Amino acid sequence: KQEVTQIPAALSVPEGENLVLNCSFTDSAIYNLQWFRQDPGKGLTSLLLIQSSQREQTSGRLNASLDKSSGRSTLYIAASQPGDSATYLCAVVTDSWGKLQFGAGTQVVVTP
Amino acid sequence: EPEVTQTPSHQVTQMGQEVILRCVPISNHLYFYWYRQILGQKVEFLVSFYNNEISEKSEIFDDQFSVERPDGSNFTLKIRSTKLEDSAMYFCASRERQGDYGYTFGSGTRLTVV
Repeated sequence: KQEVTQIPAALSVPEGENLVLNCSFTDSAIYNLQWFRQDPGKGLTSLLLIQSSQREQTSGRLNASLDKSSGRSTLYIAASQPGDSATYLCAVVTDSWGKLQFGAGTQVVVTP
Repeated sequence: EPEVTQTPSHQVTQMGQEVILRCVPISNHLYFYWYRQILGQKVEFLVSFYNNEISEKSEIFDDQFSVERPDGSNFTLKIRSTKLEDSAMYFCASRERQGDYGYTFGSGTRLTVV
C-alpha cells in the first residue's frame, strides 16, 4: 500500500532564506508526483507536476526534483517571502484514473 | 483563469440529515473527483467520475455516499444520512483529459455535522 510522508511537519524561516521540503513515498510505481499549496481554510493550488520519467521541474522560484527509485521528491523555494507562508502538500498519482494520494503536508511560516 | 466552483462554502447539518454538496467543474474537463480533509488529517480520495459513471472509489465511499452529474455542468456529492465523523472539508476537483494529470481544485465546502 502506498504511503506518502512529508518531513518536516512544520518549518519557520526568516525572509530571504531558501526552503527545502521533503516528500517520500513507499511504492515507486507512480504516474507522477505533484506539489500543491494550501492556504488556511482554502482549496489546493497546483504548483508543480513531475512526470515519472522526469527528474525535475521548475517554475519561477520553485524547483522540484524526483528520484523515483529511492521514492523521494524535494521542493526547493528560493529566496522565501512572507507570501510563501502556507501548507505545502505532496501527492502521487498511482493509477490511470488519476487518484491522488497525499502526504500530511509541511506547514511553512516565513517571517519578515 | 477557469475555476472550479463549490457551493456552499460552509454547511451545518444535524446528524442523520441528507446533504448535497455542489460543484461546477471547468467546462471542458472530463474527469471529476471528490476529496475530503478531516481537520488536522491528510486529504483523502473519495471518488472519481468519468463518462457519467464512477471510475474508482475509496473504502470511505460507502452506500451513504453518491455522486451525480445531472445536467452536464454540475457535479454533486450526496451524503444520505450524515454522521458526526462526516464533518470535514470536501474538495471537488477536475482535470481535462486522459494523460493530462493537471488538477484544478475548488475552494471547498466545510461540512459540520452536529
